Amino acid sequence: NAGVTQTPKFQVLKTGQSMTLQCAQDMNHEYMSWYRQDPGMGLRLIHYSVGAGITDQGEVPNGYNVSRSTTEDFPLRLLSAAPSQTSVYFCATRYGGASDTQYFGPGTRLTVL
Amino acid sequence: TQLLEQSPQFLSIQEGENLTVYCNSSSVFSSLQWYRQEPGEGPVLLVTVVTGGEVKKLKRLTFQFGDARKDSSLHITAAQPGDTGLYLCAVPGGTYKYIFGTGTRLKVLA
Repeated sequence: NAGVTQTPKFQVLKTGQSMTLQCAQDMNHEYMSWYRQDPGMGLRLIHYSVGAGITDQGEVPNGYNVSRSTTEDFPLRLLSAAPSQTSVYFCATRYGGASDTQYFGPGTRLTVL
Repeated sequence: TQLLEQSPQFLSIQEGENLTVYCNSSSVFSSLQWYRQEPGEGPVLLVTVVTGGEVKKLKRLTFQFGDARKDSSLHITAAQPGDTGLYLCAVPGGTYKYIFGTGTRLKVLA
């Protein structure tokens, strides 16, 4: 099992460009989330999904879109990148309730110039 | 204002020393998790505590959930370089969400 995979590992964008960060899991987990990690800020929730076709906003959703067409995939789209979106992005999955284990991907380091 | 405050922010110690890091809040939680994150990788769950006063041990790591379920501590005995990393606490922020603390960055020198 690969667990949670994220691509790309690194990305540099120019302001205004768009891109999609990919996240895939093979654990058949219903819950998937996207976080961003910035120095001194911890992990902040961007968007999450409780199953295929169901998504909702987290703490910092502005500038990001998500969709969940399958259980396995949960892509994060930046529509018009801004320097403030320079960060490390993590995808996470878990099977069920709030005290269940969250499994994180290896992260995507994004720089917006 | 952070819901979860972790202290200290940074800690650099010599191999073999003991240390304690803290995760504090003014809110009561049904459970609390501790994660360790190594450079270039995602966080990995160490433990989940759910009962006030609960103590869990994982080799040289001892986790305690406060009696009132508002705070937690992580104690490491005889730290080793392999313990180096960012330690994060996290709590449920609703049915589907987690809230993370800002983390304690630990460096253990050989």
